[in-house]
Amino acid sequence: NAGVTQTPKFRILKIGQSMTLQCTQDMNHNYMYWYRQDPGMGLKLIYYSVGAGITDKGEVPNGYNVSRSTTEDFPLRLELAAPSQTSVYFCASSYGWGAEAFFGQGTRLTVV
Amino acid sequence: EDKVVQSPLSLVVHEGDTVTLNCSYEVTNFRSLLWYKQEKKAPTFLFMLTSSGIEKKSGRLSSILDKKELFSILNITATQTGDSAIYLCAVVYNTDKLIFGTGTRLQVFP
Repeated sequence: NAGVTQTPKFRILKIGQSMTLQCTQDMNHNYMYWYRQDPGMGLKLIYYSVGAGITDKGEVPNGYNVSRSTTEDFPLRLELAAPSQTSVYFCASSYGWGAEAFFGQGTRLTVV
Repeated sequence: EDKVVQSPLSLVVHEGDTVTLNCSYEVTNFRSLLWYKQEKKAPTFLFMLTSSGIEKKSGRLSSILDKKELFSILNITATQTGDSAIYLCAVVYNTDKLIFGTGTRLQVFP
């Protein structure tokens, strides 16, 4: 029972590089989310999606892009990585907005 | 400004102690409040609260919501070292807003 799967687990990027964080879920959830968590802080919502083809900005969307071409997948794209994007990123999904969310194991990203 | 505040930020107790974690909020059109436990990695769901005064319980953990005073508490009785974690509170409001608090770090020592 995979749940929410994120890859990679760790990544180091140089300033200005780009990368895509992958997220896939097998629970047929319509709602998917990307969060970032900085040390000592709670989770900040970057982007979310209410279904395939629909995405919207969260609290901290700048520097990121997402797409949702299928129900299962919700990749997060970082263009022109900056040190401020050093963080732990979590993907999550739920059957409804504000319902119990299932989280992936996180991606620790360092931008140097 | 919409906000969720958790207190204390950090708590150190001994096994067997009882702890109370607080989550207060100021949001428009409150819908629900969720508690999560975060150990080393991903947060895991504990409770969702939507109605005032109705206690949710799971083993040694319980939680209640007060919509008049705009807060929730999470109680853990007879704490164990396995309860050591960050406890996160999230508030869902309006039709499409969700904010997490900064969390309470609980450390339980033998």
